Parts: sequence; structure tokens; C-alpha cells
Amino acid sequence: AQSVTQLDSHVSVSEGTPVLLRCNYSSSYSPSLFWYVQHPNKGLQLLLKYTSAATLVKGINGFEAEFKKSETSFHLTKPSAHMSDAAEYFCVVTGKGNAGGTSYGKLTFGQGTILTVHP
Amino acid sequence: GAGVSQSPSNKVTEKGKDVELRCDPISGHTALYWYRQSLGQGLEFLIYFQGNSAPDKSGLPSDRFSAERTGGSVSTLTIQRTQQEDSAVYLCASTLSASSYNEQFFGPGTRLTVL
Repeated sequence: AQSVTQLDSHVSVSEGTPVLLRCNYSSSYSPSLFWYVQHPNKGLQLLLKYTSAATLVKGINGFEAEFKKSETSFHLTKPSAHMSDAAEYFCVVTGKGNAGGTSYGKLTFGQGTILTVHP
Repeated sequence: GAGVSQSPSNKVTEKGKDVELRCDPISGHTALYWYRQSLGQGLEFLIYFQGNSAPDKSGLPSDRFSAERTGGSVSTLTIQRTQQEDSAVYLCASTLSASSYNEQFFGPGTRLTVL
């Protein structure tokens, strides 16, 4: 079984300042981890993913995340926030295996973090 | 190319009525997933299709919920005798092949309101 905890339900930053969205995961198996973004009235879009290659993952729009197994964390960062980054962000985990065989990609979502960017 | 599409985008229904929600995945994607996004429960998995079969229906909340997929393409999620707690956004996603590595592409969702 796997689960994800997003440590902040809301994060507020000023434009041009760094962004940190925190995520901790729990997984019985080596996880794949994703960050998805959802802009108001838009569909979910993949920002980046970790699938056991490099632990520092770079995504779209200047976002990156670092997989830290010892801390079971996968925090999302961006050096400088832009107004267009305002959205809800979801940390997502999927297992690479389960009791029945290979994983089929069932996603388990965190509760989401709403990012507000002030001018 | 075309992304995942869902219809209708909004559906308002009365308690006790049946509704059908449609998902058109990206052409060639063999795996299809339904999720539900609600205020109280967040985003939760409902059902997974590989081709036309559904190896995992474990997320369907009750036997009022059913889904099918035909021709390895279009999927329909049916909710019978709708209840107010069924109000949510229903999301469909598809991917080239079922794997924990592959990105799932999401549709815009169907917002269901049960009065």
C-alpha cells in the first residue's frame, strides 16, 4: 500500500520569491512519484516525475523536486515564483509492484496544496 | 494531437436519476482510469481498464456505480439512482500502457451536481 501526505494545504508567496511545496510518501515498494498541477477550471497536468533514475528531477516551468529516500520526501521547489504558478498542486505516488503482480499505474493522490502568488 | 475528452462537461441531475459520463481517451492508449475529485475526499481512484477489461474496480464506492469500455477506446461511467454524495468532478485519464512509470493524461472532467 502507498500513501502521500502534503504537509501544507495552502502556501502563499510573493512573486519572484522561492516556492517550496512539501510532500512525504509511504510505500511498501520502490515508488514512482509525480507532481501534477491543476489550474482553475483546467485539467491535471504533469509537472515532473521520479521513476528511480536521477534523484533530482527537473520539470516544466522551472519546477524541480528531489527524491530523498532516507526522509521519504519528494518536495517541489522553484527558485522564483511567477503569477502564473498560482494553482493547486498534487503529489502523487504509484507503486512498482503489488501483491498481485506488476503495478498498473493506479495513482494515489495527496490532498493538494493551493499555491497563491502575490504581486 | 487530441487529448482526452470527456462529456458532458457539466451535469445537473435530480436525486434518484441515472447518469452516464463519457470518456474518449487518446487514440492508441490501452490503459484508462477513472478518478473522482470531491471536496471531502480529494482525488480518489475508481476503476482501471486494460483494453476492454477492468482488472481493478476496487475504487467504485457502491454497486450503483459501473463502467464499461468498448473497442478498447471509449469508456462510460454509469451512476444509478444518484445521491447527493455523488456530487463531484469525475476525471478520466489514459496512458499508452499500464505502468507506474508512464504519465497519465487527464481529461477536463465532468462536474456532476445531484440536487
